[in-house]
Amino acid sequence: KNEVEQSPQNLTAQEGEFITINCSYSVGISALHWLQQHPGGGIVSLFMLSSGKKKHGRLIATINIQEKHSSLHITASHPRDSAVYICAVKSGNQFYFGTGTSLTVIP
Amino acid sequence: DSGVTQTPKHLITATGQRVTLRCSPRSGDLSVYWYQQSLDQGLQFLIQYYNGEERAKGNILERFSAQQFPDLHSELNLSSLELGDSALYFCASSAPGGRYNEQFFGPGTRLTVL
Repeated sequence: KNEVEQSPQNLTAQEGEFITINCSYSVGISALHWLQQHPGGGIVSLFMLSSGKKKHGRLIATINIQEKHSSLHITASHPRDSAVYICAVKSGNQFYFGTGTSLTVIP
Repeated sequence: DSGVTQTPKHLITATGQRVTLRCSPRSGDLSVYWYQQSLDQGLQFLIQYYNGEERAKGNILERFSAQQFPDLHSELNLSSLELGDSALYFCASSAPGGRYNEQFFGPGTRLTVL
């Protein structure tokens, strides 16, 4: 049983396309986190959400607490956005991670 | 650069051995988290320390232990290593506060057990 499910697992897009990655969770949470992991392995925190919506440049993250669902949107995708995107939630003192969405943006 | 440092970057060792991974948090951060990322299990939370005290425990095996020192750096000790312990080990740090704060990840230590 996975506390956090992401879809799709793999995504290929043409440069400039609008991209959506989904995350559903089954536990009560205090916060949800979107992480980006580049091919070299390094992890960068993109967003931390507990409600509503956040925007940073071409990235937008939304969360619906009632539906236990979050989405990460990338507008005007670029090849440098190619990475694995991981959804993580904090539930009590525990942290649970999705298996990640591997995004490839083709020029 | 997140400001979190981890050493060593790579570690190759044999089954049955013991290794120590080191993490220095960002200046001023009191919390340190350890995570394991393996090919079959993905990212897993191991343990969290806050200002020297254990705060939360995740899927950490009994063969693994960690501590946070007075200067706030942390070490993760892995003993009786098995092939399945081969993974990327990340530490992350966050600023003081009781709530879930944004975490800054180190570059990771890649452990290979032969």
